[in-house]
Amino acid sequence: EPEVTQTPSHQVTQMGQEVILRCVPISNHLYFYWYRQILGQKVEFLVSFYNNEISEKSEIFDDQFSVERPDGSNFTLKIRSTKLEDSAMYFCASPRDDNEKLFFGSGTQLSVL
Amino acid sequence: QKEVEQDPGPLSVPEGAIVSLNCTYSNSAFQYFMWYRQYSRKGPELLMYTYSSGNKEDGRFTAQVDKSSKYISLFIRDSQPSDSATYLCAMRDYGQNFVFGPGTRLSVLP
Repeated sequence: EPEVTQTPSHQVTQMGQEVILRCVPISNHLYFYWYRQILGQKVEFLVSFYNNEISEKSEIFDDQFSVERPDGSNFTLKIRSTKLEDSAMYFCASPRDDNEKLFFGSGTQLSVL
Repeated sequence: QKEVEQDPGPLSVPEGAIVSLNCTYSNSAFQYFMWYRQYSRKGPELLMYTYSSGNKEDGRFTAQVDKSSKYISLFIRDSQPSDSATYLCAMRDYGQNFVFGPGTRLSVLP
């Protein structure tokens, strides 16, 4: 059983549209991370989130991105106005309670047309 | 200088070979070291985790850390076609900053 689940598995959207990617942890994780991986490239850090606040963010995480924990369990990444270059796999990740090992969800493949 | 570098590049080996994957890093604050395996279009899967210099073995996999040289390795013995994947090294400092290497794509040929 996965530690972290993500929905949808695949999202297709038109350029300029808003998308919301969802992450659901199974147990009560404290930290959450979003990573991005453009096809054939490295895993890139976007943002970390702790106790309902952004802990750290990268240069990629500009004003078009936002993260929320709307209901205490789901964890969302929103891209307000998608660009072609946002096409990538987006992974949610969370450590276990020991905060040492990072576990990834299965990812959402975002395709911006 | 990149924070984490990984070699070799794409690697093809025959089934049964010993595989050696390596990462070097520049930040001496990194204390925890991980290896992930990623199949195509899937999330990275944690394979090995260690926080001290030396070797850690788990089945056919051995993780080696040399903090003085800022160098980590993953060895795969008796490699199988099912080991064909991209292998990512990752490391963390005392905070919550996880940094990933660019990955090595491994193909094990039957």
